[in-house]
Amino acid sequence: QSVLTQPPSASGTPGQRVTISCSGSSSNIGSNYVYWYQQLPGTAPKLLIYRNNQRPSGVPDRFSGSKSGTSASLAISGLRSEDEADYYCAAWDDSPNGVIFGGGTMLTVL
Amino acid sequence: QVQLQESGPGLVKPSQTLSLTCTVSGGSISSGSYYWSWIRQPAGKGLEWIGRIQTSGSINYNPSLKSRVTMSVDTSKNQFSLKLTSVTAADTAVYYCARAGPTPDRFDPWGQGTLVTVSS
Repeated sequence: QSVLTQPPSASGTPGQRVTISCSGSSSNIGSNYVYWYQQLPGTAPKLLIYRNNQRPSGVPDRFSGSKSGTSASLAISGLRSEDEADYYCAAWDDSPNGVIFGGGTMLTVL
Repeated sequence: QVQLQESGPGLVKPSQTLSLTCTVSGGSISSGSYYWSWIRQPAGKGLEWIGRIQTSGSINYNPSLKSRVTMSVDTSKNQFSLKLTSVTAADTAVYYCARAGPTPDRFDPWGQGTLVTVSS
């Protein structure tokens, strides 16, 4: 059972804006950075957002992250078919020490 | 550009030890204060962090796996390794190695992953 809670699925039509939530607690999201990973079908996960809202080079600015208290969100604007993937949030958990992932959200582009 | 590649047996018998190696290319495993990490993903399920090791010798394991996990690093071969003892079918998963840094949860890049099946 994941300590970070994500909705199992999300969907949108091309061009739309979708958000994916990630809920945690004071020992993880509340006191540490949040990271987001994108996993395209059949591939390894890829870093999408780091330190709550920073994009690695090469990640389009359509992707944005935010954090408030013990929750975080990933927003994707101008949805495209190639955004169809699983998205995972992650954070360090102080108790017990270790990295925890959300259960993942499968994004479908209708 | 650093790349990682997992290798090891794709089939392990129950109660035996799973052993995997991750080879780092395009850079030295000793450069920088990175966390060399293992993450696994059962088919159709989410990601689970297994643990991480630094070349300084610092190690952290997932508490739920700690009693069965050992990680090591071989700087001469630019490799790091994972051993998981007393495996069961529940350990069947795709195993990924990844570099983390500067924080232990920033995983980038990842290896392509290797499927390990536990079955007799």
